[in-house]
Amino acid sequence: ILNVEQSPQSLHVQEGDSTNFTCSFPSSNFYALHWYRWETAKSPEALFVMTLNGDEKKKGRISATLNTKEGYSYLYIKGSQPEDSATYLCALTSNDYKLSFGAGTTVTVRA
Amino acid sequence: EAQVTQNPRYLITVTGKKLTVTCSQNMNHEYMSWYRQDPGLGLRQIYYSMNVEVTDKGDVPEGYKVSRKEKRNFPLILESPSPNQTSLYFCASSFRPTGGSDTQYFGPGTRLTVL
Repeated sequence: ILNVEQSPQSLHVQEGDSTNFTCSFPSSNFYALHWYRWETAKSPEALFVMTLNGDEKKKGRISATLNTKEGYSYLYIKGSQPEDSATYLCALTSNDYKLSFGAGTTVTVRA
Repeated sequence: EAQVTQNPRYLITVTGKKLTVTCSQNMNHEYMSWYRQDPGLGLRQIYYSMNVEVTDKGDVPEGYKVSRKEKRNFPLILESPSPNQTSLYFCASSFRPTGGSDTQYFGPGTRLTVL
């Protein structure tokens, strides 16, 4: 299992504010980086898959960037809304085709 | 509707009593896998299957068995459950192995408690 670290473990953000958090991974093993959104009592849902250094993906108010050389990805939430409250998981596909998940960042948006 | 289903969603059992958690997908995916999720840890892969009758161990296979007799179904079997198998279990499927850039579709999860 590769060491995929997410920070912070949890965060609280005021409704309307923007926030971001990090996924770090060993850059030497990179093949693809996945972000998932996991709401309590529901299935993890895919947000983005990124494969190229410098990739930026956007879905509504949520976006992600990727730096494969230094081994990190940022997820940004712009203008947070209560429905953005969830745990955000990142997962690394390594170059030997293994998938390793981080422990997640739990976002709570306060109204 | 494309989906992955798991049953049961919640299960409380006792040590040593064999149980099966079912998983089914309707997307004709070849690749299926089982994960467990424990507090403070990322999802850890238990077993995976590349296709019918092709299964292999993931990162934490001890105490589990799987079978893939049909493409759509991938049951997880605990022959003799123990308390350290208390966890949240997810089944997932995708067209191609998770080693690629393919997206996985997850089931709703099964919360298992072994007393």
